Amino acid sequence: AQSVTQLDSQVPVFEEAPVELRCNYSSSVSVYLFWYVQYPNQGLQLLLKYLSGSTLVKGINGFEAEFNKSQTSFHLRKPSVHISDTAEYFCAVRELGNAGNMLTFGGGTRLMVKP
Amino acid sequence: SAVISQKPSRDICQRGTSLTIQCQVDSQVTMMFWYRQQPGQSLTLIATANQGSEATYESGFVIDKFPISRPNLTFSTLTVSNMSPEDSSIYLCSTGLAQETFFGPGTRLTVL
Repeated sequence: AQSVTQLDSQVPVFEEAPVELRCNYSSSVSVYLFWYVQYPNQGLQLLLKYLSGSTLVKGINGFEAEFNKSQTSFHLRKPSVHISDTAEYFCAVRELGNAGNMLTFGGGTRLMVKP
Repeated sequence: SAVISQKPSRDICQRGTSLTIQCQVDSQVTMMFWYRQQPGQSLTLIATANQGSEATYESGFVIDKFPISRPNLTFSTLTVSNMSPEDSSIYLCSTGLAQETFFGPGTRLTVL
């Protein structure tokens, strides 16, 4: 069975600073990888996904993530954050061949952007 | 793509009562999933619902507490039975089409 670990439960950062949110996964088979964002009192929104091809994936709102198969990681980065990026971020994995596209989620990282 | 709607969007319930949450998908899908997000926590899969068969529950979740119906390829319900304050959570419906996974907006449940 697959699992996802988000190493940081909270990441405080000043506005316009860069940020990296870490995600590591464990699986016995190949996986697809996702990052979702959840703004306060709102639903899940897909930020970006890695299915195949280039290991550097660009998403919405200036975020990007890099798939590193050898380190089983899929860290999320943004070069300059804004106050509006304050939210909960979830890394998720889906095993190839998984029927129905069920996702397994990490514990989440709360990004807190300070002025 | 798939658009998922859920009813109700939120509810406040008394302990000991039950609430049925509806999930409607605008496309026919084989599998539907129900997740729970407890306050300040991540999403945990409750069960997988296939049309025409019994739902498959994850460890820690049982059918008596969370009965699920899947009468057709576009609809599912999740009932939270005999509720306690610990059931206060957001309940999300999800499904997949092609390579995409879609989520409903969630049902925010508060149990007093």
